[in-house]
Amino acid sequence: EIVLTQSPATLSLSPGERATLSCRASQSVSRFLDWYQQKPGQAPRLLIYDASNRATGIPARFSGSGSGTDFTLTISSLEPEDFAVYYCQQRSYWPPITFGQGTRLDIK
Amino acid sequence: EVQLVESGGGLVQPGGSLRLSCAASGFTFSSCAMTWVRQAPGKGLEWVSSISDDGGSSYYAESVKGRFTISRDNSRNTLYLQMNSLRVEDTAVYYCAKDLYGFRGVFDIWGRGTMVTVS
Repeated sequence: EIVLTQSPATLSLSPGERATLSCRASQSVSRFLDWYQQKPGQAPRLLIYDASNRATGIPARFSGSGSGTDFTLTISSLEPEDFAVYYCQQRSYWPPITFGQGTRLDIK
Repeated sequence: EVQLVESGGGLVQPGGSLRLSCAASGFTFSSCAMTWVRQAPGKGLEWVSSISDDGGSSYYAESVKGRFTISRDNSRNTLYLQMNSLRVEDTAVYYCAKDLYGFRGVFDIWGRGTMVTVS
């Protein structure tokens, strides 16, 4: 099973700042890596798929990069609605599909 | 509007059974692979099971294999999860999700979830 490790566990930033979230896989997942955002009491929302493709309706301030074992989700300028928990997910050689443990993005 | 609505959750004793349903609307259900993902209280996301568009292929997490069964009725636009031999550790919100394309495991539409409590 491929293990995904997200860092940092918590990130405290202010609106307008740039956020950089990391996801590292225990073995190569090629580009089969996706990012989801989850707000309290809500279902997850797909942000990025195949490492760098924005999902429909996702603002351009969200971008994804990486391949192999190291991936990054960048939010170029934080809006108040961006403070949430972010999960990476891999689907290389699934099953199983696995998720990272999440990064909580807090308002500083 | 594209929508998934889960139902069937509730309180059940260890060893008991529940059947979850997920009603789909606003898209061609029979053309989409579907998945169940769960989230224990205060915890992260855990993939549970996926099924192909025609129901011919299905996959399970090791933690539920042999106890849970995923199925679908394309004539009713409904996805199911039959959960038997439930354990305390199965307590979670259960989400159904639609695959973005093919059977790739990219989940672009999610329901709001249904809570299952095993106690």
